[in-house]
Amino acid sequence: EPEVTQTPSHQVTQMGQEVILRCVPISNHLYFYWYRQILGQKVEFLVSFYNNEISEKSEIFDDQFSVERPDGSNFTLKIRSTKLEDSAMYFCASSRDGYGYTFGSGTRLTVV
Amino acid sequence: QKEVEQDPGPLSVPEGAIVSLNCTYSNSAFQYFMWYRQYSRKGPELLMYTYSSGNKEDGRFTAQVDKSSKYISLFIRDSQPSDSATYLCAMTYSSASKIIFGSGTRLSIRP
Repeated sequence: EPEVTQTPSHQVTQMGQEVILRCVPISNHLYFYWYRQILGQKVEFLVSFYNNEISEKSEIFDDQFSVERPDGSNFTLKIRSTKLEDSAMYFCASSRDGYGYTFGSGTRLTVV
Repeated sequence: QKEVEQDPGPLSVPEGAIVSLNCTYSNSAFQYFMWYRQYSRKGPELLMYTYSSGNKEDGRFTAQVDKSSKYISLFIRDSQPSDSATYLCAMTYSSASKIIFGSGTRLSIRP
């Protein structure tokens, strides 16, 4: 069964450093998303991406965040200057039709 | 009032029991309703999605949506220990819109 692949599975970074989280969506999917889940809390929407541009973003997705689809297969989330409160599981998801998403296994980001 | 409310549990039932999981929501604009299963430290896995009101069945799982009451349910028949996970309800307004998740109900099936 096709799956969404995320790397790395765990990243530890120092506060103020830049991180790039990588995702390979399912190949024939057109809609791409980033969500995050702080430990013990809800899964929260960050951003959606369609047709090579951001289609929707949440209040969390401020100027410190950016997304890119640098080629036909990868989808990345960059956090420019990490804060302690950015520590969370970050999930990439993709969808063929914009309805049922397939999520990746996530990247656990720890900011120290 | 929270947009999507879900009892966090934990809910513990014996193997073979019928499990009922529920969510309520406040925004009548939601049109698409989903149930995800999440194992510890894994991403959510889509179980079912339905459009508008009605029932949908898939194997041991049945999803119900009552838009008039703003209430959705997931029933699991013949529950198995492998069904032990956190179940997340989720909903959205339209195609490709952001999904709003409930906080999840932790379910444990006792052998």
